Amino acid sequence: EAQVTQNPRYLITVTGKKLTVTCSQNMNHEYMSWYRQDPGLGLRQIYYSMNVEVTDKGDVPEGYKVSRKEKRNFPLILESPSPNQTSLYFCASSPRDKHYEQYFGPGTRLTVT
Amino acid sequence: DQQVKQNSPSLSVQEGRISILNCDYTNSMFDYFLWYKKYPAEGPTFLISISSIKDKNEDGRFTVFLNKSAKHLSLHIVPSQPGDSAVYFCAADETSGSRLTFGEGTQLTVNP
Repeated sequence: EAQVTQNPRYLITVTGKKLTVTCSQNMNHEYMSWYRQDPGLGLRQIYYSMNVEVTDKGDVPEGYKVSRKEKRNFPLILESPSPNQTSLYFCASSPRDKHYEQYFGPGTRLTVT
Repeated sequence: DQQVKQNSPSLSVQEGRISILNCDYTNSMFDYFLWYKKYPAEGPTFLISISSIKDKNEDGRFTVFLNKSAKHLSLHIVPSQPGDSAVYFCAADETSGSRLTFGEGTQLTVNP
């Protein structure tokens, strides 16, 4: 089954404790992206990657890091989480020729206390 | 600066009637527009799209209209069904761009 998987689905952590949210896709897509969803703000892009070893900032990259060492994986790293990073996070992937038709993962609900 | 705006946070319609969801944008460089649908506890799913060279695209019960001069697009669902109840996000893609800009979302509720 073609899908984007994220882990964990739910996470409660404390300020300053480094964490990683994993994202993996099995569709051989070149393009991957991370979004956060907040009430009244919709989906805002954090980082995206056009291909392996190519990443770029989205609209709200502060406080986040990403890496793209393999085509299928695109982890999101919070080196020192803060309460304002409490949010619902989505990973997405798409083929290069239709990067706008994105396949989303199920989401990760992160709470930072 | 919100380049894609959905001014209605929620919309409620009766089953069988038409649902019209609206979206406005400010960036003239957007050349491709999409609607995504999101159910609770799931990721958004692609619904329908339209290129800026067209003014209408239809897929079954879903039709998207684009008015470039007004920088406005709308999604029509006819007839609306209870299973259409979800959050709908409008999104836009910039010419030669590599990322989408999303609106805030509109919660559609279709009452039986």
